[in-house]
Amino acid sequence: DGGITQSPKYLFRKEGQNVTLSCEQNLNHDAMYWYRQDPGQGLRLIYYSQIVNDFQKGDIAEGYSVSREKKESFPLTVTSAQKNPTAFYLCASSIQAGGPWEQFFGPGTRLTVL
Amino acid sequence: AQSVTQLDSQVPVFEEAPVELRCNYSSSVSVYLFWYVQYPNQGLQLLLKYLSGSTLVKGINGFEAEFNKSQTSFHLRKPSVHISDTAEYFCAVTRYSGAGSYQLTFGKGTKLSVIP
Repeated sequence: DGGITQSPKYLFRKEGQNVTLSCEQNLNHDAMYWYRQDPGQGLRLIYYSQIVNDFQKGDIAEGYSVSREKKESFPLTVTSAQKNPTAFYLCASSIQAGGPWEQFFGPGTRLTVL
Repeated sequence: AQSVTQLDSQVPVFEEAPVELRCNYSSSVSVYLFWYVQYPNQGLQLLLKYLSGSTLVKGINGFEAEFNKSQTSFHLRKPSVHISDTAEYFCAVTRYSGAGSYQLTFGKGTKLSVIP
């Protein structure tokens, strides 16, 4: 089955540590996205990538970094510079970024900072 | 800049009753509108979308929405809800972010609770 996988489902981190969240898609989509979800806040865009080896900052990129070395993969690193990293993180993909295409979402990773 | 307002953060409704979840957007250009559903601790799933054409859009699970340009609204409706419809619903609008790229702006969500 085609889709998006995110791992791990739950992640615990100590303050001051960097952590990387995995996102893989087998939909052959060009565009991929990372969102952060907090209760009552909706989804906020962290980073997006239109093609391999290219990515752009979203609305809340500070304290995060990404890479896009392969079409299928778009990992997100939450760095120690992110002041409030505890949240639910969602990865998504779409056929292209250049149009009103539907975004498909992964199951999410819940990050908790201890 | 585009924004999305979901007017109700929580909506309780009895099983088999009708429901309307309200969404208003602000935009000065053509818009594309979406409704997504999220079950607890899961990702989002597309319910329906409006790109162009008929203003009444039908989606999955018996949901429909009506695009009203004059009122800048895209309300979601279902004539008879089921317990399994208990979830959080998000309205989203596209926005052009430059370099040929479109992004989604999401509302803050409406939690629908279906009461048996």
